[in-house]
Amino acid sequence: QVQLMQPGPEVRKPGASVKVTCKASGYTFTVYYIHWVRQAPGQGLEWMGWISPNSGGTNYAQQFQGRVSMTSDTSSTTASMELSSLRSDDTAVYYCARGRWAYVGYYFDSWGQGTPVTVSS
Amino acid sequence: DIQMTQSPSTLSASVGDRVTITCRASQSILSWLAWYQQKPGKAPELLIYKASRLETGVPSRFSGSESGTDFTLTITSLQPDDFATYYCQQYYTPPYTFGQGTKLEIK
Repeated sequence: QVQLMQPGPEVRKPGASVKVTCKASGYTFTVYYIHWVRQAPGQGLEWMGWISPNSGGTNYAQQFQGRVSMTSDTSSTTASMELSSLRSDDTAVYYCARGRWAYVGYYFDSWGQGTPVTVSS
Repeated sequence: DIQMTQSPSTLSASVGDRVTITCRASQSILSWLAWYQQKPGKAPELLIYKASRLETGVPSRFSGSESGTDFTLTITSLQPDDFATYYCQQYYTPPYTFGQGTKLEIK
């Protein structure tokens, strides 16, 4: 079965960076894009961008451009998302999700369990 | 960006009830809408895609419909496991945007 495994909680100081990984299994890694979605405490879902594990191509939401970097390693079937210049409002649970292509865009049919990231001095 | 507005924000209902959650898009997204269920401390789970297509394994008491830019998630005969937060998501164009969520509570 499809599984996306993420690490446990991370704590960073403002201005630092965090890298969250997403280990995929149960399907052909290069066929599906990996998306990143975050959820601030008590808030809704915010799409951050995607990476194509096949080509390494990326598409980032405008509000994260310049601060986010998404990468993938086909040998370990792992995708990663690094967010830099962290602020307190980056405190959130970060999810990876498998994107299912639907002619014009993607919806998300499998999700990692989420990695809580706390930004605090 | 396309704005997705859900209503109500909170809904109280009882086991066995039929409930409806609405999601309105700020512009046409055709039928490119998905619905998710999220339980506390867990990741969202896909329920419906393309406005009305049920994801494999999702109970048939869940259904989706559309009328223009208005989309509806209906749950018939609520079960205890259905009390959760529900989100809509448009995938017509990036950035892919979600509604703010509807929390379904036990009355």
